[in-house]
Amino acid sequence: QVQLQESGPGPLNPSETLSLTCAVSGYSINNGYYWGWIRQSPGKGLEWIASINYRGSTSYSPSLKSRVTISVDTSKNQFSLNLSSVTAADTAMYYCARHPLPQWGQGTMVTVSS
Amino acid sequence: DIVMTQTPLSSPVTVGQPASISCRSSQSLVHSDGNTYLSWLQQRPGQPPRPLIYKISNRFSGVPDRFSGSGAGTDFTLKISRVEAEDVGVYYCMQATQFPLTFGGGTKVEIK
Repeated sequence: QVQLQESGPGPLNPSETLSLTCAVSGYSINNGYYWGWIRQSPGKGLEWIASINYRGSTSYSPSLKSRVTISVDTSKNQFSLNLSSVTAADTAMYYCARHPLPQWGQGTMVTVSS
Repeated sequence: DIVMTQTPLSSPVTVGQPASISCRSSQSLVHSDGNTYLSWLQQRPGQPPRPLIYKISNRFSGVPDRFSGSGAGTDFTLKISRVEAEDVGVYYCMQATQFPLTFGGGTKVEIK
């Protein structure tokens, strides 16, 4: 059974770079699908951030594109997200997920505060 | 971007009674490969989203058969045949046919 597990930083200060990694088990990223990041601000809905496939083909949310980089490491069966110049507005639960056949991780809470 | 519109915002339901959630997309969700990548997610309080249904009507393993999905093109429905207390939470539709991925605003199912 495919499982996704996010790992991320502790609290961040404004202007720092957020780095997240999603480790995939039970399924090889090389076998297909897209792998992405989605966030949910406290009490709010779901916002897609970026996705990548095993070939390295990427797609980014237009509103975050200037600050986001997604990458994949097929040798480790994991993918990562960098979000630069964070502000309090980036405080959210960050989920990694597979699509279009959906599978989600448990999420990691990221707090940006001075 | 494809806009996903869910109704109702809230659905108070008596245990044992049915519930229905509608999701409408601003464009057809039929992909060039012929599939329609419309999923339904359940988010219980304090939990991550859990995929229930994929490609309109396919239930994931472990999802009770009281949950069913239907629809085509731009109009989709999630039905719970007999609501149980454990079904309380927010339900989201999600399209993965086209980038950017987009989500409905959510429907809160609560017990009367």
